[in-house]
Amino acid sequence: DTAVSQTPKYLVTQMGNDKSIKCEQNLGHDTMYWYKQDSKKFLKIMFSYNNKELIINETVPNRFSPKSPDKAHLNLHINSLELGDSAVYFCASSLGPSDTQYFGPGTRLTVL
Amino acid sequence: AQSVTQLDSQVPVFEEAPVELRCNYSSSVSVYLFWYVQYPNQGLQLLLKYLSGSTLVESINGFEAEFNKSQTSFHLRKPSVHISDTAEYFCAVRDSVAGGTSYGKLTFGQGTILTVHP
Repeated sequence: DTAVSQTPKYLVTQMGNDKSIKCEQNLGHDTMYWYKQDSKKFLKIMFSYNNKELIINETVPNRFSPKSPDKAHLNLHINSLELGDSAVYFCASSLGPSDTQYFGPGTRLTVL
Repeated sequence: AQSVTQLDSQVPVFEEAPVELRCNYSSSVSVYLFWYVQYPNQGLQLLLKYLSGSTLVESINGFEAEFNKSQTSFHLRKPSVHISDTAEYFCAVRDSVAGGTSYGKLTFGQGTILTVHP
């Protein structure tokens, strides 16, 4: 009965590859988010979707593309991975944009 | 633009001692405030939040935080810590005004690592 789940938990890949991280929530929430936590543990929002529409799009390289096939899913696709993309990526969801956000367990991405 | 400053990057403390983790924020609009906790090798969990009403909010495991608007602070306290409280704690702020460009965006502080020693 996991609330916000992410797959995979760990992802190790080579520079230049394309990879995806999946996020699913079973809370019935309308809003979902992607955050990046860098090596210094600094957390920064990347994207937010509300009812499958993009509402927050921070300054993120266009190699990062979020995809929301339905309200329960928000996947993150990353093209041409770079060393600097190594981080922990957290998915979160909330009932609406004004509501409390609940986070997934994180995906640790390592680019070699 | 909003910002959050957690004044201590690391706080070591002995078991059963009191602890305060400091958080200050800046914002041009009214805000909601949150503390999240990240246990080793785990994701973020919501610890407590201030949305409105009483400025003192409590969590189920004995932490409390007080919203001080004049000092723009939301410090986290616990009168007696346990070994199991060892974790990293993140203070976060969000606009309380609907519809702005940063609406829904949580801005986090840099985190404070609390280490409880026996």
